[in-house]
Amino acid sequence: AQSVTQPDIHITVSEGASLELRCNYSYGATPYLFWYVQSPGQGLQLLLKYFSGDTLVQGIKGFEAEFKRSQSSFNLRKPSVHWSDAAEYFCAVGAPGGGNKLTFGTGTQLKVEL
Amino acid sequence: GAVVSQHPSRVICKSGTSVKIECRSLDFQATTMFWYRQFPKQSLMLMATSNEGSKATYEQGVEKDKFLINHASLTLSTLTVTSAHPEDSSFYICSARFTGFGGGESTDTQYFGPGTRLTVL
Repeated sequence: AQSVTQPDIHITVSEGASLELRCNYSYGATPYLFWYVQSPGQGLQLLLKYFSGDTLVQGIKGFEAEFKRSQSSFNLRKPSVHWSDAAEYFCAVGAPGGGNKLTFGTGTQLKVEL
Repeated sequence: GAVVSQHPSRVICKSGTSVKIECRSLDFQATTMFWYRQFPKQSLMLMATSNEGSKATYEQGVEKDKFLINHASLTLSTLTVTSAHPEDSSFYICSARFTGFGGGESTDTQYFGPGTRLTVL
């Protein structure tokens, strides 16, 4: 069974600073990997996804993530954070051919200081 | 594209009543939809997988007689919380599975609805 770990429960960064949110997964092969963002009281919005190919994937809102097989990681990055990026971020892993049933990490709450 | 709606966004009901939540994929067909429950400050917990034209598959520990799921069409799944009690109060989120081609590549992605806040008095 797959699992996801997001080691950081809370992260605070200053507006304009760079951001990296960590995500580690456990799966026997290369999984499908996703990052979603959730604003308070809202559903989840897809930021980016990785299925195969180029290990650096670009997403919406200036986010990118890099799949590192050797580290079983899929960290999310943004070079310059905006105040509107404050939200909860979830990493998720899905099993290819498994009906895309997702396992979510516990989430990282991002706070942006002005 | 890939928009999912949920209705209602918020519902308050009395203990013992039933509540129906609708999940619709607006611009694509979804043979599979998922229902999640989210407690405050916590992650999403998968409740069940809804497949069009067949019975839903429930996760371990989820009462299928309490949380009735119907997926009667390729764009609509419903979750009915029967005989609701205060402990059923939660944020319920659905997602619809999109498979096909997007941006020139094949994809298999869940798109989420905005959620439904259920409060049982």
